[in-house]
Amino acid sequence: AQKVTQAQTEISVVEKEDVTLDCVYETRDTTYYLFWYKQPPSGELVFLIRRNSFDEQNEISGRYSWNFQKSTSSFNFTITASQVVDSAVYFCGEGSTLGRLYFGRGTQLTVWP
Amino acid sequence: EAQVTQNPRYLITVTGKKLTVTCSQNMNHEYMSWYRQDPGLGLRQIYYSMNVEVTDKGDVPEGYKVSRKEKRNFPLILESPSPNQTSLYFCASSLAPFSGTLGYEQYFGPGTRLTVT
Repeated sequence: AQKVTQAQTEISVVEKEDVTLDCVYETRDTTYYLFWYKQPPSGELVFLIRRNSFDEQNEISGRYSWNFQKSTSSFNFTITASQVVDSAVYFCGEGSTLGRLYFGRGTQLTVWP
Repeated sequence: EAQVTQNPRYLITVTGKKLTVTCSQNMNHEYMSWYRQDPGLGLRQIYYSMNVEVTDKGDVPEGYKVSRKEKRNFPLILESPSPNQTSLYFCASSLAPFSGTLGYEQYFGPGTRLTVT
């Protein structure tokens, strides 16, 4: 069955610490895509990244980086030098080419000043 | 401005009273989808639509109906709401979910908070 697991329900760090949010997925599809969204306290969903299954290149965008490893079915997200504004719920997910999407249950990240 | 709009944003209703939550996008997107968000459960897909007149069930379709008569609109219908449908609902749209090597992000609406008493 398709499934996305975010084992960390809550993480607390102090500003400037690095933090990694884990994401493990299960899929029967050979072609699929993975994504991360951020949901700040204001409630909107903010797109962070999407990665197709055949593109295992890691991605870095400013303080954010993503590590996609097909061998371990993981798509982890690292924030370097965290800031208070990074406090949010982060959702990882997996989508099929036919339109089905699966989200993880989310990780609440709190960054303390 | 490119956006997905949902109406109403907040709704309190009673069990059994039919309601419709509208969703509209102005980006000419083929794909649209509805999700519900519940504490501790993340977002779960209710229904999705790959194009006009094409809809499919997601993970939690029971108690919901949708229609896609026009490209821009994808209303969510609760024929007989029950308290377990109290939730935060999001509509989203994108270009085709998968196209070659191109990836398209989903644009989410602001959410509709529904309470069924």
